[in-house]
Amino acid sequence: RKEVEQDPGPFNVPEGATVAFNCTYSNSASQSFFWYRQDCRKEPKLLMSVYSSGNEDGRFTAQLNRASQYISLLIRDSKLSDSATYLCVVNGPNDMRFGAGTRLTVKP
Amino acid sequence: EAEVAQSPRYKITEKSQAVAFWCDPISGHATLYWYRQILGQGPELLVQFQDESVVDDSQLPKDRFSAERLKGVDSTLKIQPAELGDSAMYLCASSSKFQMPGNTEAFFGQGTRLTVV
Repeated sequence: RKEVEQDPGPFNVPEGATVAFNCTYSNSASQSFFWYRQDCRKEPKLLMSVYSSGNEDGRFTAQLNRASQYISLLIRDSKLSDSATYLCVVNGPNDMRFGAGTRLTVKP
Repeated sequence: EAEVAQSPRYKITEKSQAVAFWCDPISGHATLYWYRQILGQGPELLVQFQDESVVDDSQLPKDRFSAERLKGVDSTLKIQPAELGDSAMYLCASSSKFQMPGNTEAFFGQGTRLTVV
């Protein structure tokens, strides 16, 4: 079993749609969690951190469920510019692990 | 804005040749990571440094890969000999804190795209 698993996607949604991604992790000692965005052939860039209380940044909402060991990302009112791969990142005591990524395509 | 610098951006090499990648992290960042990303997959951790010490190299194919960060600043990743399956993007990342929950965001360089022919 992989340490960090994500919905494989791809997700193809129309503009304005709401889309949600999930990610599960296996290491219960994991300490911090992030969502990164990666555009085609570019480096990953931080989208948002994920806090236990949940957090929101504009159209993006991230949530963490430590008991079930999963995190989620919700994108509301999708824009064409949201098309990218979204990577779930989990920091353990000694490392930083990525999920395989979920590809999102937002269509007109 | 401070950036993680990587070079070269692109490298084409023949199999069995040696190849090296360089990374200069953001100034003051103690933690440095090397990742390999195959197209369509997520980044896979190869090696993690804390200052000049290796923290995790469990996924580094040590028969052909080596990494060093001698002075705890910049780092070099080497492959010798290169194989066709090594073709991938090699990403370097750095972060300022280690084992500090909530403060371990990593910043990535633009990567080195390696093609082995």
